[in-house]
Amino acid sequence: ILNVEQSPQSLHVQEGDSTNFTCSFPSSNFYALHWYRWETAKSPEALFVMTLNGDEKKKGRISATLNTKEGYSYLYIKGSQPEDSATYLCAFWASGGSNYKLTFGKGTLLTVNP
Amino acid sequence: SQTIHQWPATLVQPVGSPLSLECTVEGTSNPNLYWYRQAAGRGLQLLFYSVGIGQISSEVPQNLSASRPQDRQFILSSKKLLLSDSGFYLCAWSVGRARYEQYFGPGTRLTVT
Repeated sequence: ILNVEQSPQSLHVQEGDSTNFTCSFPSSNFYALHWYRWETAKSPEALFVMTLNGDEKKKGRISATLNTKEGYSYLYIKGSQPEDSATYLCAFWASGGSNYKLTFGKGTLLTVNP
Repeated sequence: SQTIHQWPATLVQPVGSPLSLECTVEGTSNPNLYWYRQAAGRGLQLLFYSVGIGQISSEVPQNLSASRPQDRQFILSSKKLLLSDSGFYLCAWSVGRARYEQYFGPGTRLTVT
């Protein structure tokens, strides 16, 4: 059973604050890591797919880093805005011919107060 | 571009009643299709996946079933709902060998009373 942990479980920040949260995953048999942004009553939106150790990806004010050797990824939001409020999910894809599924963490619920 | 539809958006059903949730994908052929559920306090859990018409793999034993009658249609069913079936159901698709790049539908909120 693969274990994907996200921390913190929830986070409240003020508008303009920068914030970050963590996804931990198994360091063996790594293939890919996804970050999704999930707003209430909407589809989870794919933010990043990361496959290489040391990868760093950026989309506007959001960026992510990946360390496959130690099994963690950070998601950073610079200058948080109320519209960033959402649950941020990470999902791990293991290598191996029989692999067929994403294993999700429980998510970090971010609330940005105006 | 590809789009994915799910309906209904919300559903309230009594215990013991049947269930049918539908998912359709547009703009792609032969997608891999997935049903996920998020129950309260838990992460997204894969329920079923399908790599082609009539090909269904079950991830978790339960009273749910899935069918794929057409290339871009995926249906989740139950003959008798349990309280524990309450949750948010998401359909997702991917293409070809990039199965880890999955895209989600808008979901169905199911409440079993």
